[in-house]
This record gives sequence, structure tokens and C-alpha cells, in this order.
Amino acid sequence: NAGVTQTPKFQVLKTGQSMTLQCAQDMNHEYMSWYRQDPGMGLRLIHYSVGAGITDQGEVPNGYNVSRSTTEDFPLRLLSAAPSQTSVYFCASHRVGLAENNEQFFGPGTRLTVL
Amino acid sequence: AQKITQTQPGMFVQEKEAVTLDCTYDTSDPSYGLFWYKQPSSGEMIFLIYQGSYDQQNATEGRYSLNFQKARKSANLVISASQLGDSAMYFCAMREGEYGNKLVFGAGTILRVKS
Repeated sequence: NAGVTQTPKFQVLKTGQSMTLQCAQDMNHEYMSWYRQDPGMGLRLIHYSVGAGITDQGEVPNGYNVSRSTTEDFPLRLLSAAPSQTSVYFCASHRVGLAENNEQFFGPGTRLTVL
Repeated sequence: AQKITQTQPGMFVQEKEAVTLDCTYDTSDPSYGLFWYKQPSSGEMIFLIYQGSYDQQNATEGRYSLNFQKARKSANLVISASQLGDSAMYFCAMREGEYGNKLVFGAGTILRVKS
């Protein structure tokens, strides 16, 4: 199992450009999510999905779009990049439902800089 | 209101000694789960330990234990016999509800182990 994979690892954008951060998992997890990590603020939830065709907003959704057409993939789209979106982005997945430990498995992260 | 509070921005510990990283949380949901993650300088998120709100015993995983004090709403991480490789950022996180799927993170504590 590759676990959770993210591409690219690094990206530099100019203000106003759009791009898609890719995320894929091979563990057949229903739940996938995107977080951003900024200094001094921990990780904040951007969007999440509880299954194919179902997405919802997290704490900081503005400026980002997601879709979930398959169980495996959960891309994050930046529509018009802004310097405030400079951050490290993590994708995560886990099984939905009652569990003693629904540990979230994280991808390696994408470091995005918007100039 | 902040749901997860980590009051120690940075900590130092001598190699082979024990260290406690503080975490307090706020929730009105009787069912919740508490997680600790480690983030080394390489950036990946590594799951360490989990404590469920109904668990009677404190969770332990190798050198990691969670000092869970429900009435005080605290979930401190104890690392015994610190090693140089324990130097990292540590995040406390909480999910709410029986089927809670969203994690809320604290701001993190940077731990440095001295030789």
C-alpha cells in the first residue's frame, strides 16, 4: 500500500493563477480531508468528504474547491491563488464510522508559495 | 473559543528523561477522541496515541502515554526516556461525536531533546 500520496511536493504560483493539488489513497477509506498548516496555528480543516460525490466545508474553505468522483481521489483546487494561501497542505484519509481509533493517515504534504 | 489548547510553544528535555506536553480541550459532546501526532523536521504527520472519552484506562504506546484527566479536560502526552529522535513538533487533536470525522488541532509544541 502506498497510503496517502500527494503531488506536487512543492509549488510556486503567481497571484491569480489556478492549480490543483492532487491527493490519492489506496486504503479504500471513505473519509478524506484537506488541511492547511500555518506557523503557530496547527492544522486547519479546509474541506472534507465522507464518500464519493459528497463533500463539505471545513473551517477555512474560502478560495478552495474540491470534488470527489472516486473513493481514491480528492483533489483540491485553488481558483485564483493569493499570497494568503501560502502554506503547507496536507491530505488525510480514514475509515468512516464508529471505531475506537479512527486514526487519520496523512500524506507527505505540499508546500505552496504564492508570490 | 479554542477547542484545543497547547500552552507550551517550546520545551527542552534532557536525553533519557521524561517530559510532559500539555493539552487541554473544550467540548460539550460526551463522546470524543483525543489524538497526539508528531511532526519531525521532515514534515510528515506521525500518529502517536489515541484516547477515547469513554476509555477507563490511560492510553499507552511504547514510550508514549496519555495522562487523561476527564474532569479537568486535559490530555497530556508523556514521553518517557527521551531520545534525540523525539525532537519534533507535537500536536494534540480532538474529534467530536461517536462518528466524528473532523479533527481540530492545537497550535503545537516544539520539543527539543538535549544530549
